[in-house]
Amino acid sequence: AQSVSQHNHHVILSEAASLELGCNYSYGGTVNLFWYVQYPGQHLQLLLKYFSGDPLVKGIKGFEAEFIKSKFSFNLRKPSVQWSDTAEYFCAVNHAGRRALTFGSGTRLQVQP
Amino acid sequence: NAGVTQTPKFRVLKTGQSMTLLCAQDMNHEYMYWYRQDPGMGLRLIHYSVGEGTTAKGEVPDGYNVSRLKKQNFLLGLESAAPSQTSVYFCASSLGTFEAFFGQGTRLTVV
Repeated sequence: AQSVSQHNHHVILSEAASLELGCNYSYGGTVNLFWYVQYPGQHLQLLLKYFSGDPLVKGIKGFEAEFIKSKFSFNLRKPSVQWSDTAEYFCAVNHAGRRALTFGSGTRLQVQP
Repeated sequence: NAGVTQTPKFRVLKTGQSMTLLCAQDMNHEYMYWYRQDPGMGLRLIHYSVGEGTTAKGEVPDGYNVSRLKKQNFLLGLESAAPSQTSVYFCASSLGTFEAFFGQGTRLTVV
């Protein structure tokens, strides 16, 4: 069964620090990759997605992610975080054989002013 | 822009009671899903549907049933609630393998 691993469970950063959150998946075929964000008390919102093409994708709010097929990774980055980025971040994957998203366990990001 | 709407938003049940969570989407999506979110475990798929009249089991289907009688609605039922079903439930919909859109969630507590 496919799985998604997020190794950073809780990250604490100061404002203006750079962010990189790891995501690895186990499925060997063609995948679609997503990062979702969940602000406190809210539902999940899409940050960015990768279907094909340029492996470096840009999303909303200055976030970007790089797909490295050889490493089965899709890491999320942001050069300079803000206090408002405090949230939980989820990596997810689906593919033609399993259209439902499989989620990682999430990374809680706390940005200190 | 309603998107995906879940009702109710909060509910407290006693062990053994039953209830139905309603999910409605207005985006004409074929696919609909029910997930539960528990601390440290991400979102786990309970059941999903690839079209009107069809349903399928996800990773954690035990204790839940679903129905998709109309394309826009996806119902999640708990026949006999247990404390282990205390969770936040999210409904989502999508067009095939494109991104899923999520509802606001239902916080369920079973005492």
